[in-house]
Amino acid sequence: GAVVSQHPSWVICKSGTSVKIECRSLDFQATTMFWYRQFPKQSLMLMATSNEGSKATYEQGVEKDKFLINHASLTLSTLTVTSAHPEDSSFYICSVNWGLGSNEQFFGPGTRLTVL
Amino acid sequence: QKEVEQNSGPLSVPEGAIASLNCTYSDRGSQSFFWYRQYSGKSPELIMSIYSNGDKEDGRFTAQLNKASQYVSLLIRDSQPSDSATYLCAVKGYSSASKIIFGSGTRLSIRP
Repeated sequence: GAVVSQHPSWVICKSGTSVKIECRSLDFQATTMFWYRQFPKQSLMLMATSNEGSKATYEQGVEKDKFLINHASLTLSTLTVTSAHPEDSSFYICSVNWGLGSNEQFFGPGTRLTVL
Repeated sequence: QKEVEQNSGPLSVPEGAIASLNCTYSDRGSQSFFWYRQYSGKSPELIMSIYSNGDKEDGRFTAQLNKASQYVSLLIRDSQPSDSATYLCAVKGYSSASKIIFGSGTRLSIRP
């Protein structure tokens, strides 16, 4: 399956600051990447679909101006949480579909964000 | 009704026994079905994918799909303590634009 990395693995920031999370597809070129958020003891919630070279597609209820997604290359997508607040504290995970036409998604190791 | 439903557990199974995890889904047009394992504090890892009715076996894991009943299950044979985790059922619709919907997961505990 696909090998996906994320950086940083964890981050603590003050309320009002912005945090950037990187997601890299290490072993193949991904035209599409997905960003999920997971609160404690809850399931994964898709936030947005990141498309290389075009705008991301956001799920209903996700503020696109708060969660900025950039997919500038076939191996890198970034999620920036702008003006973070304590309620944004969560586990953010990216994923890629492995292979052309594959429905299987492989996840990065995740980034735990804590906003003080 | 949730799109993908799982019993949250915890499901406690003795070591060496068979663990049976179940999942139902609401969209009859769903075509792809997945089981992920998620250890506490970690991201999900894909265990099995199944697309056709019937059983699919991979080592100690067997996925079972019944589209008529809108039911998918995962059997873990010879359960080991390392199998203790949360198991997420995920379902995807027919079109390439369909997104994967995850269940809330079943917490499995293998007791020695």
